[in-house]
Amino acid sequence: GAVVSQHPSRVICKSGTSVKIECRSLDFQATTMFWYRQFPKQSLMLMATSNEGSKATYEQGVEKDKFLINHASLTLSTLTVTSAHPEDSSFYICSARTRMGSGNTIYFGEGSWLTVV
Amino acid sequence: GIQVEQSPPDLILQEGANSTLRCNFSDSVNNLQWFHQNPWGQLINLFYIPSGTKQNGRLSATTVATERYSLLYISSSQTTDSGVYFCAVEPRSGNTPLVFGKGTRLSVIA
Repeated sequence: GAVVSQHPSRVICKSGTSVKIECRSLDFQATTMFWYRQFPKQSLMLMATSNEGSKATYEQGVEKDKFLINHASLTLSTLTVTSAHPEDSSFYICSARTRMGSGNTIYFGEGSWLTVV
Repeated sequence: GIQVEQSPPDLILQEGANSTLRCNFSDSVNNLQWFHQNPWGQLINLFYIPSGTKQNGRLSATTVATERYSLLYISSSQTTDSGVYFCAVEPRSGNTPLVFGKGTRLSVIA
């Protein structure tokens, strides 16, 4: 099946620094990728939709200047958390859509645990 | 926007027991997927099932699109089945992301 790779899986950073998370589709081209955030014991909340070659579309309440999303190629999207604060600590996970088999399926990366200290 | 409700929110099973998880959604959808999130956070795609019935080993799923619900059946549960099960739908409005329910947290005890 389709593979989406996310890196790093875990990162600890100091408050005020920036962290970049990469999301790659390994065996297919993804014109659209999605970034989600998940707090402990909660569901996944969509942050933004990342389109290759254009600006990301952010959900209401998500700060564009804080969560920079770049979709540089058909296989790579990055999320940069700028000037991170402890409240940004969360699980971030990306997904990409592919058309395979009988369906139009979305696959997820392994996720990234961010801890800001 | 579309609403996705899952029930029950929490479920504790004895190993070997069967269970049914339910997902109700408020509008027509292009896609419905069931995921299992393991304790490490990984989301494993279980089924892509906008309609009909599918089976994969001890798991099976049924979606009745006209009545806007889907069911996930787990038979002969094992401790490794523990985790959170999410139902997610893609609204009919085009190339849109999945909207997730709040999940069912399953604990299977030996």
